[in-house]
Amino acid sequence: TQLLEQSPQFLSIQEGENLTVYCNSSSVFSSLQWYRQEPGEGPVLLVTVVTGGEVKKLKRLTFQFGDARKDSSLHITAAQTGDTGLYLCAGRAYYGGSQGNLIFGKGTKLSVKP
Amino acid sequence: DTEVTQTPKHLVMGMTNKKSLKCEQHMGHRAMYWYKQKAKKPPELMFVYSYEKLSINESVPSRFSPECPNSSLLNLHLHALQPEDSALYLCASWGGNYGYTFGSGTRLTVV
Repeated sequence: TQLLEQSPQFLSIQEGENLTVYCNSSSVFSSLQWYRQEPGEGPVLLVTVVTGGEVKKLKRLTFQFGDARKDSSLHITAAQTGDTGLYLCAGRAYYGGSQGNLIFGKGTKLSVKP
Repeated sequence: DTEVTQTPKHLVMGMTNKKSLKCEQHMGHRAMYWYKQKAKKPPELMFVYSYEKLSINESVPSRFSPECPNSSLLNLHLHALQPEDSALYLCASWGGNYGYTFGSGTRLTVV
């Protein structure tokens, strides 16, 4: 069974601070996605990383895919209160075929205080 | 249209009721999913439909019955649910571009 270990599970910081969330696995993924979810809403896709070693930037968010495609990180610079939410990483198994089944990490609940 | 639309947004039902959740997408995606999400937990896969055929049933109790009438629609029929089935039910579709598009979910409360 493929697992994605996401850490930390909870993170409470002050506005303006930097933070990093990690997703790790012993399995190789063909791609990895990061989602952000507000309470009572569905997850919203932030980014997909596909190539080992890939780095993608989305304003103050930086996403990295490990060289071996087994891990990923999300770094937020100068966090804002609007960044508060549940961040989920999800990996697509290498054998995903035509179904695109994703394996989710347990999520990181981020709270940014003013 | 780049959305997955779920209805209703909220549902309260008794343990003897029969209700249905609906999901619709017009992006031409051929894989659609039902997920269940409890508070502060990640989504848990329930069912996968690929090209309108049920391809994965993650050992979900028979009181949940999925249906895919056509490539744009996905239903989840509910019957004789238990209070522990209260959760956010999410529909998603996948169009081969690596990421899912999720609906906003149906918040289900079983009383």
